[in-house]
Amino acid sequence: AQSVAQPEDQVNVAEGNPLTVKCTYSVSGNPYLFWYVQYPNRGLQFLLKYITGDNLVKGSYGFEAEFNKSQTSFHLKKPSALVSDSALYFCAVRVNNYGQNFVFGPGTRLSVLP
Amino acid sequence: DSGVTQTPKHLITATGQRVTLRCSPRSGDLSVYWYQQSLDQGLQFLIQYYNGEERAKGNILERFSAQQFPDLHSELNLSSLELGDSALYFCASSSTSGGPYNEQFFGPGTRLTVL
Repeated sequence: AQSVAQPEDQVNVAEGNPLTVKCTYSVSGNPYLFWYVQYPNRGLQFLLKYITGDNLVKGSYGFEAEFNKSQTSFHLKKPSALVSDSALYFCAVRVNNYGQNFVFGPGTRLSVLP
Repeated sequence: DSGVTQTPKHLITATGQRVTLRCSPRSGDLSVYWYQQSLDQGLQFLIQYYNGEERAKGNILERFSAQQFPDLHSELNLSSLELGDSALYFCASSSTSGGPYNEQFFGPGTRLTVL
């Protein structure tokens, strides 16, 4: 069965500092990995995805994520955090099996302090 | 704006009642997904439809059902409502192939409160 872990419920970072939101996964097969962001009272917004190829994936709003197969991780990063990045971040995994759908992690709340 | 619309935005009802949530996918998307988001369970996949047919089922209760109509909009029906059904219900859609590598685009959600 697929599973996703986000080991930190909350991440606090000062504005201008680099941020990392961690994600590890467990699947049988090749994973497709995604990051989504949810702002208050809004639906989830797609940030980026890893399908194949380069392990460093760039996405929206200056975010990037690094796929590490040996560590089964897909951490989200940004070189310089903004207060407006404060939101709930979800990692999700999917495998290439018919009928298999997204499994989302529990979410990590990011607070960027001015 | 993702292009996915959901109505109503808020719904307040009583235990034992039945409600219908509606979703219109992005133009051209054939796949529709329903999710439930609650504080204790996180984001749970309920069900997927592709071009009118059920494609995948997740943690959907028997009291819940869904369908996708020929115009591709979808409805999620929740019956015999319980207090624990109070949650945010999201609809998402993805591109025509519905392949596993396609990201999903989420609507703004319907907040259901069962009193």
